[in-house]
Amino acid sequence: QSVLTQPPSASGTPGQRVTISCSGSSSNIGTNYVKWYQQVPGTAPKLLIYSNTYRLSGVPDRFSGSKSGTSASLAISGLQSEDEADYYCAAWDDSLNGHVFGTGTKVTVL
Amino acid sequence: QITLKESGPTLVKPTQTLTLTCTFSGFSFSTSGMSVNWIRQPPGKALEWLALIYWNEDQRYNPSLKSRLTITKDPSKNQVVLTLNNLDPVDTATYFCAHGSPSLDAFDIWGQGTTVTVSS
Repeated sequence: QSVLTQPPSASGTPGQRVTISCSGSSSNIGTNYVKWYQQVPGTAPKLLIYSNTYRLSGVPDRFSGSKSGTSASLAISGLQSEDEADYYCAAWDDSLNGHVFGTGTKVTVL
Repeated sequence: QITLKESGPTLVKPTQTLTLTCTFSGFSFSTSGMSVNWIRQPPGKALEWLALIYWNEDQRYNPSLKSRLTITKDPSKNQVVLTLNNLDPVDTATYFCAHGSPSLDAFDIWGQGTTVTVSS
């Protein structure tokens, strides 16, 4: 039922760079800000990135967000073991007149 | 410091109505642009936004669930209440409430979540 599409999984070894994509449409990512949330299983999601590229205070600078057209990406550089979690993109959808989330990506640190 | 906490039943029967309460502190409905949102997550599945209520009482609902959802606020108690009627086992999920920050345009603070099972 998710409107935004993400790859189900991504992985890397410690220190590597991992990128997660988020594909939407003109009614959501194309015209509104993208946010990224991190969720460790069994806990509530936490905001990482807002307004496409801005890190919430306290979020390590190895996390970065970008947006182009109707797609967005979250990059984790210098991957660390504590980055192992599920990541969700989100945006407001003008057609649905509500928030939409991505399908979620599980990041595994090998 | 903003905090939110969800409360409600853990087990409900099919066809019944679920009432969940989000009790918050550290902010008020006098802040222009703010919202309180409900989001759910079925076991092993993705997050799904359900509804929001703005500081000015304006409401928005997930179109796929709109006919079954109602969101209200009680500023005197610092609470937001979500009701979901005609429950089905597919409504089994962890339900979160979250503060919608007008400056960040994002859910900046989340409650811990409350797990609801729909089963006879």
